[in-house]
Parts: sequence; structure tokens; C-alpha cells
Amino acid sequence: GAGVSQTPSNKVTEKGKYVELRCDPISGHTALYWYRQSLGQGPEFLIYFQGTGAADDSGLPNDRFFAVRPEGSVSTLKIQRTERGDSAVYLCASSLHPGSAGELFFGEGSRLTVL
Amino acid sequence: GESVGLHLPTLSVQEGDNSIINCAYSNSASDYFIWYKQESGKGPQFIIDIRSNMDKRQGQRVTVLLNKTVKHLSLQIAATQPGDSAVYFCAENRNNAGNMLTFGGGTRLMVKP
Repeated sequence: GAGVSQTPSNKVTEKGKYVELRCDPISGHTALYWYRQSLGQGPEFLIYFQGTGAADDSGLPNDRFFAVRPEGSVSTLKIQRTERGDSAVYLCASSLHPGSAGELFFGEGSRLTVL
Repeated sequence: GESVGLHLPTLSVQEGDNSIINCAYSNSASDYFIWYKQESGKGPQFIIDIRSNMDKRQGQRVTVLLNKTVKHLSLQIAATQPGDSAVYFCAENRNNAGNMLTFGGGTRLMVKP
């Protein structure tokens, strides 16, 4: 596609439920990133993939969060036993040149609301 | 500056005037800086970047200035237009491995017609 695509755009769930958020990066972009943005704040880094492997997952807040990218393209962010504090916009970004601090292209995000 | 919850610093300018948005960064080891624009309901959009071996870089209607001595970054927008209304974030790359960016708290720019 023309840009980074994220689904769903909005997700409302109940505390304790499991959610999956999907990211489809720009075709040919080998690097993929997940960020989380709370209301009124700047995005916070969660995890970075280079190809299929997670090159850095130091931003994941705890073991309830997990992300995969099995074929080096689409990525899924998985959140287990959701808590109200997980409510935020989850942003995905991709870039063509990993490791060189090149331009990141962000999707429009998935807004997660945990009731 | 830093935002606290919903209270983003706000800059209000008249259409046609120049805008200057400021950002302080904390890590003197950061070597790459970027300005992003974020409109409501959308993801951040790249505006302009600058490396630490430069102190000024110009784009179309935008200029980024970097002062490493005081760890300060600014974005200048010439002839501000209503379409420039958005939240602006500075970001720094604190790690040469990958594009892991650390974002500042954001400044809301409001352009009055």
C-alpha cells in the first residue's frame, strides 16, 4: 500500500481481555517499530524489528506485551490481560534504512480503550 | 517544553507570521534530531531532520536550528498557514542502532486566520 496501515483503528475492550493490533508496513521497508502514545504525550518506543526478529524490545512495559513479525512484513502487537492503564494510541512505523536513523513513516494508529 | 497530561504548551500565531517552536533535549550523546507534525487523529509526519554535526538546516518554509551547547532545538516555520495547525514534536535518536527515537512532549501550534 501507499502508507503504513494499522487495524483496527479503534478497539474497546474490557479489563482482563486479550487484544491484537495489526500493522502492515510500507512495502519493502525492512524496519518496523511500535510506539505508544498517551493523550497529550509524545510517542514512547516499545519495540523495533529488523526483518523477522525483534532487534530491541526494551520499551515493552511488561511481559503482558508481545509482538511478532513472522514473515518480515506484517506485525502484530499482542496485549494479554489488558489493564485500564494500557489505554492509548498504539502507533506503528516503518523505515527503509534501518540502523541509519532514516525517516520513519507512521501509520494513523490503533486507539485502544480498556474499560 | 514538557507537557503534563492534557496541557500541551500552545503557540498561537497569526496567519502569515513566522512561528518558532522550541525544544530542549537532555542527552548530549544524541546525534540525530527530527521534527514531526501530528494532526488530530493521525500519526506523526516527518518534517525535517538535522544531524549533530550541523547547526542549521533548511527545508521548504521550515528551518531547524540546533544548539548543542545548551541542548536546544528549534523549528522555524515561515509564513505560517492554517494547514500548519497541529502538534509538533521534536525527537532525538539516542541509539545508533536502529531508529529508536525519544520524543519530547509536544507543542500545539494554532494559526489564526
